[in-house]
Amino acid sequence: SQKIEQNSEALNIQEGKTATLTCNYTNYSPAYLQWYRQDPGRGPVFLLLIRENEKEKRKERLKVTFDTTLKQSLFHITASQPADSATYLCALDATSGTYKYIFGTGTRLKVLA
Amino acid sequence: AAGVIQSPRHLIKEKRETATLKCYPIPRHDTVYWYQQGPGQDPQFLISFYEKMQSDKGSIPDRFSAQQFSDYHSELNMSSLELGDSALYFCASSLGLPGSGNTIYFGEGSWLTVV
Repeated sequence: SQKIEQNSEALNIQEGKTATLTCNYTNYSPAYLQWYRQDPGRGPVFLLLIRENEKEKRKERLKVTFDTTLKQSLFHITASQPADSATYLCALDATSGTYKYIFGTGTRLKVLA
Repeated sequence: AAGVIQSPRHLIKEKRETATLKCYPIPRHDTVYWYQQGPGQDPQFLISFYEKMQSDKGSIPDRFSAQQFSDYHSELNMSSLELGDSALYFCASSLGLPGSGNTIYFGEGSWLTVV
């Protein structure tokens, strides 16, 4: 069956450390993978998109990697801050060229001061 | 910059009633998506429209229907409401065909409570 899995448990890290979140998928062949941030009761906010032919993408303190062989994306936040505390969702297109974007289960990150 | 506008933000309905949610995409965006998010759950894809035509369908119940109008706004109609329909409903929009790496922008959501 098709599924997208992220760190099931909440992730607590100390301020200043690097947070690494995982997104694993099975039985999908996405052309893109996207990462979103969601705060309680708010809509997901787009952070980064990485294409299947890209290994890595960076934006300020954020870095995303995409390994289509492992079917995995890693999302890193360096020099983490308490304001980074939120739920982070990965999403991918169910099949290449589809309008159907499927979200992972999300990882709740808490950065401790 | 203009964002995705959803209305109403909160809605309380009784079982078996009907509810309609509206979504106004970012200007010039041609694709609209609807998602349902239950408490502690990830957003579940319901349906999407491109250029006013249904493009993809997810786990949308038969009791629900949606459409995209000529001005690109979209409405999600939910009938015979059940308690389990209580959730946060997100609308999102994007520009361009799939395969172009189009970013999806989400609205703030409409809270539906069925009592």
